[in-house]
Amino acid sequence: QVQLVQSGAEVKEPGSSVKVSCKASGGTFSGHAFTWVRQAPGQGPEWMGGIIPIVGTTNYAQKFQGRATIITDESTSTAYMELSSLRSEDTAVYYCAVPKIGYCTSPSCFSLDYWGQGTLVTVSS
Amino acid sequence: DIQMTQSPSTVSASVGDRVTITCRASQSIARYLAWYQQKPGKAPKVLIYEASTLESGVPSRFSGSGSGTEFTLTISSLQPDDFATYYCQQYNNYPRELTFGGGTKVEIK
Repeated sequence: QVQLVQSGAEVKEPGSSVKVSCKASGGTFSGHAFTWVRQAPGQGPEWMGGIIPIVGTTNYAQKFQGRATIITDESTSTAYMELSSLRSEDTAVYYCAVPKIGYCTSPSCFSLDYWGQGTLVTVSS
Repeated sequence: DIQMTQSPSTVSASVGDRVTITCRASQSIARYLAWYQQKPGKAPKVLIYEASTLESGVPSRFSGSGSGTEFTLTISSLQPDDFATYYCQQYNNYPRELTFGGGTKVEIK
């Protein structure tokens, strides 16, 4: 069983950056394919991007290219998502999630089975 | 990019009703579609993946069907715990692209 524990809520000013962490326990860390999803108030989930440490690949939604950075730190079993140049529209709950099947690099093994509890990021002056 | 369109956006139903939600993809996604249930303040929970495979522990009243561009989620007999918002998600191009539908809220009639 995999558990994902995210960092606490943040309040940020417009133009600043935020870094959200996602600490994994259970399973083999390098085998987890981390996906980051955000959900603005009253809206549906939105895919931001993901990282597959074992393959060394990172993918971003076009909307977040150049503004989001997703990395992992195997020494602490933690994934991070940093979003820069924050604006009010970035106010949302940010989630990390992974498939139950480790080393998942193709659609045939994918589903988002384990989720973090979510991190509320509020962007306000 | 692949767009996902869900309908209806809201369903008003009673306990025991059969509920069907539709999801359409802007291009073929084979059977790479998942359905999630979300309750207020909680993370989404996967119900079905690969269009029709029930996630372990999910009640059998939930079922999924479809392929290509048209998919459905059916709840055969709505239970009190099922009042929630449901989202479809395509992952045909995973890991390069994932897309969620706009959601369907199932509310009490």
